[in-house]
Amino acid sequence: GDSVTQMEGPVTLSEEAFLTINCTYTATGYPSLFWYVQYPGEGLQLLLKATKADDKGSNKGFEATYRKETTSFHLEKGSVQVSDSAVYFCALLTTGGSYIPTFGRGTSLIVHP
Amino acid sequence: KAGVTQTPRYLIKTRGQQVTLSCSPISGHRSVSWYQQTPGQGLQFLFEYFSETQRNKGNFPGRFSGRQFSNSRSEMNVSTLELGDSALYLCASGGDEQFFGPGTRLTVL
Repeated sequence: GDSVTQMEGPVTLSEEAFLTINCTYTATGYPSLFWYVQYPGEGLQLLLKATKADDKGSNKGFEATYRKETTSFHLEKGSVQVSDSAVYFCALLTTGGSYIPTFGRGTSLIVHP
Repeated sequence: KAGVTQTPRYLIKTRGQQVTLSCSPISGHRSVSWYQQTPGQGLQFLFEYFSETQRNKGNFPGRFSGRQFSNSRSEMNVSTLELGDSALYLCASGGDEQFFGPGTRLTVL
């Protein structure tokens, strides 16, 4: 079946540091890939997505590139802010499947001033 | 456009009681999914409804049930509550992109 593996957290960084959160996946079909973010006390919200190999999703300074050869979709940001402190979820959705995304366990990011 | 709303936001129950949670999806969305989020298990899929029919179901006991109304609003019910049911219950609507509500925080004492 489909699965998503994310790096364990928490990831603790100082403001303006470079961020990478690793995500790898296993899929039975050809998936679309997503990053969701959950701020404290809120539900998840879509951060970015990519639907085919080599696509780059980007939003709010975050980027992730769909790498089919390494089955990865790592999240990066060049300079994090305190306001980026949240939990980040990698997810995949296989077309022609159950319409239900498969989520990773989530990675907590803590950014200190 | 209003987002996904969930009521109530917080709930405290005791073991053995039952609870009903409500979710109103974004207008025009016909699919509603429910998830349970806990620190130990992460985000786990409960079930999905589409046009009043349960289309997908996760691996939860029969104590967890749901339904969807003709206006796409959905409810989930948990009967005979256990301590382990304490969690954040999230509702989402949409298709490829899921739009989540803020969740209902259920505490079982």
